[in-house]
Amino acid sequence: QKEVEQNSGPLSVPEGAIASLNCTYSDRGSQSFFWYRQYSGKSPELIMFIYSNGDKEDGRFTAQLNKASQYVSLLIRDSQPSDSATYLCAVGIQGAQKLVFGQGTRLTINP
Amino acid sequence: EPEVTQTPSHQVTQMGQEVILRCVPISNHLYFYWYRQILGQKVEFLVSFYNNEISEKSEIFDDQFSVERPDGSNFTLKIRSTKLEDSAMYFCASSLARENYGYTFGSGTRLTVV
Repeated sequence: QKEVEQNSGPLSVPEGAIASLNCTYSDRGSQSFFWYRQYSGKSPELIMFIYSNGDKEDGRFTAQLNKASQYVSLLIRDSQPSDSATYLCAVGIQGAQKLVFGQGTRLTINP
Repeated sequence: EPEVTQTPSHQVTQMGQEVILRCVPISNHLYFYWYRQILGQKVEFLVSFYNNEISEKSEIFDDQFSVERPDGSNFTLKIRSTKLEDSAMYFCASSLARENYGYTFGSGTRLTVV
């Protein structure tokens, strides 16, 4: 069973601080890694994807991937109240046309 | 920005009834998916569809489920005889290429089986 694990939270961060969200995965054959944001009652919205080890930055968001440790993270700089949502880590399985999702981390940014 | 459109947004049905959930993927996308999310739980893969056939399906996607692309624009999920445990948000998604750059999800259909 291919698993993706996230701390369900809630994670509470003051406005303007850095929020750090973590995810581990079990399948070493995983090749693509995604972070989605999901507001309550809404559909997942793609924030970032990363394929290679290291960091990838897009505005206030940085995704980090360490395939040796089977670990992927998302940093949100200068957190805003509008960043309050559930963040879903998803992993693309090698040879499969599907994503496996973690249970999500609920993030709250406190003004 | 192109969108994946799903209808209806909410469907209530009696146990044992058939339901059809409808999706209009982004027009130039080639790969289509259905996922579901039971309240408070993970987003779960149901099925992927390419070139008018199922390319992969999960254990959840049993004989009660079917998918169809009837007219080149719509993509439908049919549940033949609904059960209480089918109550969930159902998300359609599409992508342009097999290489996984992430999907665009539709806004979802909340299915409630009573």
